[in-house]
Amino acid sequence: EPEVTQTPSHQVTQMGQEVILRCVPISNHLYFYWYRQILGQKVEFLVSFYNNEISEKSEIFDDQFSVERPDGSNFTLKIRSTKLEDSAMYFCASEWNTEAFFGQGTRLTVV
Amino acid sequence: RKEVEQDPGPFNVPEGATVAFNCTYSNSASQSFFWYRQDCRKEPKLLMSVYSSGNEDGRFTAQLNRASQYISLLIRDSKLSDSATYLCVVKSGYQGGGTSYGKLTFGQGTILTVHP
Repeated sequence: EPEVTQTPSHQVTQMGQEVILRCVPISNHLYFYWYRQILGQKVEFLVSFYNNEISEKSEIFDDQFSVERPDGSNFTLKIRSTKLEDSAMYFCASEWNTEAFFGQGTRLTVV
Repeated sequence: RKEVEQDPGPFNVPEGATVAFNCTYSNSASQSFFWYRQDCRKEPKLLMSVYSSGNEDGRFTAQLNRASQYISLLIRDSKLSDSATYLCVVKSGYQGGGTSYGKLTFGQGTILTVHP
């Protein structure tokens, strides 16, 4: 069964460093998303991406965040200068015919 | 008012019990509705979509009342493997060509523990 894959599964970084989280969506899907979940809190929408551009973003998705699809298969989330409060589980999702499929997530720990 | 609000839980029930979860949403323009399941430290997984006519999948029954902006999930004959967090999820975005796409808004989740 096709699945969304994310790497790495866990990343530890120092405050102020840049991180790139990677996702490989399901191949025939057209809509891509990033969500995050701070430990003990709800899943929150960050950004949606379609046709090589951002279609919607939340207020969480400020200038420190960016997304791109560099090669037609990978979908990346970059955080330019990480803060302690960026520590969370980051989920990538891709969508086809109404249903969103989530990757297993990257746990980001900022120290 | 929270965009998606669920029963706070937690629910702790014996095997074989029937348990019901409720959810309300605030955006009347919301288009699609779902229940997801999330196991500890794992990704959300779609349990079922929710339709105004009501829908059933085995032991699971979901209902949507658009007028009241209310969604429910009923689990019959609970199994130990049903223990998880159940997430009420609402989609807002765009529809066309028989499909819809857009961001998902999650409730905070209700923890269910089924014990022997």
